[in-house]
Order: sequence, then C-alpha cells, then structure tokens
Amino acid sequence: SQKIEQNSEALNIQEGKTATLTCNYTNYSPAYLQWYRQDPGRGPVFLLLIRENEKEKRKERLKVTFDTTLKQSLFHITASQPADSATYLCALVGANNLFFGTGTRLTVIP
Amino acid sequence: DTEVTQTPKHLVMGMTNKKSLKCEQHMGHRAMYWYKQKAKKPPELMFVYSYEKLSINESVPSRFSPECPNSSLLNLHLHALQPEDSALYLCASSQDGTVKANTEAFFGQGTRLTVV
Repeated sequence: SQKIEQNSEALNIQEGKTATLTCNYTNYSPAYLQWYRQDPGRGPVFLLLIRENEKEKRKERLKVTFDTTLKQSLFHITASQPADSATYLCALVGANNLFFGTGTRLTVIP
Repeated sequence: DTEVTQTPKHLVMGMTNKKSLKCEQHMGHRAMYWYKQKAKKPPELMFVYSYEKLSINESVPSRFSPECPNSSLLNLHLHALQPEDSALYLCASSQDGTVKANTEAFFGQGTRLTVV
C-alpha cells in the first residue's frame, strides 16, 4: 500500500534560519506532489505543486524539490518567521484520493 | 470567492442524536470531499462527490450519510455516532470532477465534532 512519511513529527528552528522538511513515499510513482500548510483547528491550505520533471519550484520564501529516484521531496522555508509556525503536509494523488503525509509540526522560535 | 464554508464550527452531540454538517462553495468546483482528521494525524478521505454523484465511499460506517443537493452544497448526516467518531471533519473541493494530481484542493475550516 502507499506510504507517505514526513520524517520529523516536530521541528523547532530559530527565527531567520532555513527550515527543511522531508517527505518520503513508497509504492508509488507520482507525476505531481503537493504541499499544504495546516494551522491548529483549521483546514489545510495549498502552498505549492511540483511536477516530476521539475527539480525545483519556488514561491517567495518557499522552495520545493522533487527527486523521483530517491522518492523524496524537500520543502524549504528561508528566513523563517514565527508566523511560519504550523503543520506542513505533503500530499500525493492516487486512486481518486489525495493522500496526505504524516505531517511535520514546525515551530519557529523568536 | 475562493472559500469553502463549513457550518457549524463546533458541534457536541449525544450518541442518540441526529445532526448534519454543511459545506458550501461557490467556485464552480465539480468535486467535493469529506475528510476526517483525528488529533496529530493527517486528514483521511471519507467520501468523494463528482458532478453531484457519490463516486468514492472509503468504507465509511453507515452512521455517516453524505448528501450532495446541488453542485455548491455538501452535507454529512450523522446518526448514532460513537465517542471515537469525535474528530475534525473537513470539507474540500477541487475544480475537476475527480481528484487530480495537478489541481489543488480547497479546504474549509472544518467542524470540530465531539460525541458524548
């Protein structure tokens, strides 16, 4: 069965540093990978989408990479701010379902 | 309008009660979804409606009954729930009639359900 793992359940970093979150998947060959942000008690909000033939995608302070050989995506937040504190979810589409990873709870410490 | 609106935000119900969760979107999206999310877990798909027809039921117990009255509305009828059904229930929509890898999903704020 498909498995999507985000290696850290929680990650604490100092304000201004770059946060790097990891998403690993098995038993799947996605053409696209999505990243969402979720704040406590709220629904996920779409951030970025990357295609299998795109090595890297950027949006403001966010950067996503996609390595289909390693079956891994990295999500970077540069110049992190306390307002970036949230849970970040990677997601893959398969069998008419959007499958979410286990999530990483990021805390940016002022 | 890029919002998915869910009501109520919070709901407490007894195990013998009947209640409904409501979801509305006016983006012209043709796929709508119900997800269940337990604390510190990722959202899990329950139902998918595609062009107002139920296309996916992820083996959800019959005490949860979805309904799609029209292309903008999605309901989830609840009856005889158990305490373990307490969770955040999320509604989502996407542009196409099916889940697509290259199309984002828009989520509502969720309904926090507590079954007592």
